[in-house]
Amino acid sequence: EVQLLESGGGLVQPGGSLRLSCAASGFTFRSYAMSWVRQAPGEGLEWVSAISGSAGTTYYADSVKGRFTISRDNFKNMLYLQMNGLRAEDTAVYYCAKVVSEFWSGPTDYWGQGTLVTVSS
Amino acid sequence: EIVLTQSPGTLSLSPGERATLSCRASQSVSSSSLAWYQQKPGQAPRLLIYAASTRSTGIPDRFSGSGSGTDFTLTISRLEPEDFAVYYCHQYGSSLVHFGQGTKLEIK
Repeated sequence: EVQLLESGGGLVQPGGSLRLSCAASGFTFRSYAMSWVRQAPGEGLEWVSAISGSAGTTYYADSVKGRFTISRDNFKNMLYLQMNGLRAEDTAVYYCAKVVSEFWSGPTDYWGQGTLVTVSS
Repeated sequence: EIVLTQSPGTLSLSPGERATLSCRASQSVSSSSLAWYQQKPGQAPRLLIYAASTRSTGIPDRFSGSGSGTDFTLTISRLEPEDFAVYYCHQYGSSLVHFGQGTKLEIK
């Protein structure tokens, strides 16, 4: 059974940093690209970032480029999102999601339950 | 940048009725690069359709997708009580990834 479990969310002040983690199990982690998608309270889905299975390619939404860094550890079956320079508009539930293939851009067939990031003073 | 516009914003129907949800792209999208998701309150999204018309594993056949170019449709043939939720279209491919703003399907 595929399982994705996010952690690391919480309350942080504007300008601060946070590192999200996603523990994956139930599939051959290194064979699939992974994504982060966020959802602000009461709002729709916003794609944030993705990384290929080999970690050779990474992509970011313009709204987070230069502030967020996606990475993965294929030995530990872990996905990460390092978030720096956080802003109030980054407040959202952050979902970890598995892409259907090794290629970074594709539909996501499994999602975690999300971790809430709140940016406020 | 591709913008996906979903309509209507809210759709009010009764169980047993047919639902037709639209997703229009600001520029042509490959049919192999369009997906639909369902999201219920407090839950993560669930993949329904990918490549415009291919049902994901375990998705009932009352859900179907169609379209090409800039116009795509998600159809639910006969609404079940558990189908009332928010639906998102999703464009992926060689360029950046985008989601539509969502259509809320509510019980009339």
